[in-house]
Parts: sequence; structure tokens; C-alpha cells
Amino acid sequence: SQQGEEDPQALSIQEGENATMNCSYKTSINNLQWYRQNSGRGLVHLILIRSNEREKHSGRLRVTLDTSKKSSSLLITASRAADTASYFCATDRGNTDKLIFGTGTRLQVFP
Amino acid sequence: GAGVSQTPSNKVTEKGKYVELRCDPISGHTALYWYRQSLGQGPEFLIYFQGTGAADDSGLPNDRFFAVRPEGSVSTLKIQRTERGDSAVYLCASSMTGRDTQYFGPGTRLTVL
Repeated sequence: SQQGEEDPQALSIQEGENATMNCSYKTSINNLQWYRQNSGRGLVHLILIRSNEREKHSGRLRVTLDTSKKSSSLLITASRAADTASYFCATDRGNTDKLIFGTGTRLQVFP
Repeated sequence: GAGVSQTPSNKVTEKGKYVELRCDPISGHTALYWYRQSLGQGPEFLIYFQGTGAADDSGLPNDRFFAVRPEGSVSTLKIQRTERGDSAVYLCASSMTGRDTQYFGPGTRLTVL
């Protein structure tokens, strides 16, 4: 079963605009990770944020985590057509290392 | 270094047949994971190995599914008596020690006719 949900399910923007995707989850977590997936194949790891962290940056990516609300957001600044992909959040919790994925946000960036 | 590799990239089989899917993790990674992804969904966990042993197989849907990792590196996911509902992309991931970043392979797309 899915741990949580991303919203929106789909997002269309123009190049240069910022894209914000949100992720909600149901139970306490150890870590939350964001992945990108092109064309339904392999997932590319973007950022891992631990439960005691509130914000992380990597290049044009900014991730926040609010454990009190059980939610995270991924911001992509100055988007490019190459950012077009599906984006998933995934959590691991308790004493298990398995990742539980959300349903994903499909991002379309128009040139 | 090389990433996670999976073979074959595509597998088409007939209902009732047996299939094996292979995963080569990143060298030195002790943790290995199998996930399954259906169209339009996020990946769903199947099984997790720490070294040679299956630490968590709670995601295997039934006893037709089995996975091994005999030497603590390469893993094989085995599906017996395949059904059309088994059609999906099967993803493998590895991590250095577990509870860390998981790096995914390109997946094997399984189609059961």
C-alpha cells in the first residue's frame, strides 16, 4: 500500500517558472527521499532529508520537511524542459529500511 | 563507478511460465531491495536483503514470488506460474548499509501475455 500522496497529481508550467510539489505521509518516519523518474523506468535520487532536519538544498532543488504536519515539499527553481518527469517522495520508518512511495506528481515543463 | 544494473530490460512471457530477473547492485553495497511498479503508480516494496539474508520479505504478494542473493551481491527475483497481473516494471535498488540513500536500476519491464 502507498504511504502517502503527492499533490498536485499533475503540474504544467513554463520554463523559468518555479515548480512546487507536496508530499503527505501517514506515520512517523526516519527519512524522506525525493526521486525523479523519466518515462516510467529507473528512479534518480534527488535528496534525502532526515526526520530531524527541516530544510535541505541541492542546486535548484529545495526540500522542506514538517514532521508535525507529516508533510514535505520539493521546490524546483528556474525550471527547464529537462525537468519534465514524474517526482515521487518515499519514506522509511520504524525499524524497517524499505521505502514506501507516494503516488507521484507528473511535471511538464514547456519550453 | 557503475550503477545498479538489471537484466533483461524487457521480458515478455506467456501466462504460466517461469521467469528470472537479475539485479547487480553497486559494488560494496550490502543492502539490496526489489520493488514493483504498475502503470501510473509509485513503486511498491517486495523484499529487502541485508547481505545474503532476506531481512524483510513482507511485500512479496504470494508464494509464486521468491528472491535469492546467495553471495551477498547479485540477486535474482524468481516468479513461478506467471499471471497477467504480474505485468509491471520490476525495480532493484541498493544502498551502502541500509537506512540510507537507495540507488535504483533501470528496471525490467515484465509483460505476461
